[in-house]
Amino acid sequence: EVQLVESGGGLVQPGGSLRLSCAASGFTFSSYVISWVRQAPGKGLEWVSIISASGGSRFYADSVKGRFTISRDNSKNTVFLQMNSLRVEDTALYYCAKRIDTSDFGALDYWGQGTLATVSS
Amino acid sequence: DIQMTQSPSALSASVGDRVTITCRASQSIGRRLAWYQQKPGQAPKLLVHEASTLESGVPSTFSGSGSGTEFTLTISSLQPDDFSTYYCQQYTNYPYTFGQGTKLEIK
Repeated sequence: EVQLVESGGGLVQPGGSLRLSCAASGFTFSSYVISWVRQAPGKGLEWVSIISASGGSRFYADSVKGRFTISRDNSKNTVFLQMNSLRVEDTALYYCAKRIDTSDFGALDYWGQGTLATVSS
Repeated sequence: DIQMTQSPSALSASVGDRVTITCRASQSIGRRLAWYQQKPGQAPKLLVHEASTLESGVPSTFSGSGSGTEFTLTISSLQPDDFSTYYCQQYTNYPYTFGQGTKLEIK
């Protein structure tokens, strides 16, 4: 059974940092692209970042570029999202999700339950 | 960036009704479009990818169509479990982008 479990959320002051983790199981982790998607309270879905299977390619939304860094450790089946210089508007439930297949393009077929990051003074 | 615009933003319907949600892309995305369903307090669930390919286990009352810039998600006969929020997403270019969502409510 495919599982994605996020952790690392919490309350942080503006300007602070958080490191989110996404632990995966039930599939050949090192073969799949993983993405982060966030959802502010009561709002829609916003794509945040994505990392290739090898970790060599990474892309970001403009809203987080230069502040967030995605990485992965294929030996530990885990993807990370390092979030620095956090802003109030980064407050959201952060989901990690797996790409549906190993092709160059694809939807996100399995999602975790999310971890909540709250940025407030 | 490619903008995705869904319509309507909200929709009231009854069990048994046929409903259609539209998603328009600001430029051609071929068929690289997905539809997700999200219920309150739950993660999104993939329903359709490649514009019209139904994900395994999704009821056949759901169907997707379209290509280029205009896409639709149709539910042929609404069931009580279908009252949720629906999102489209393009995955042809980074950044991937989602529509703003369509909330389907019981009339």
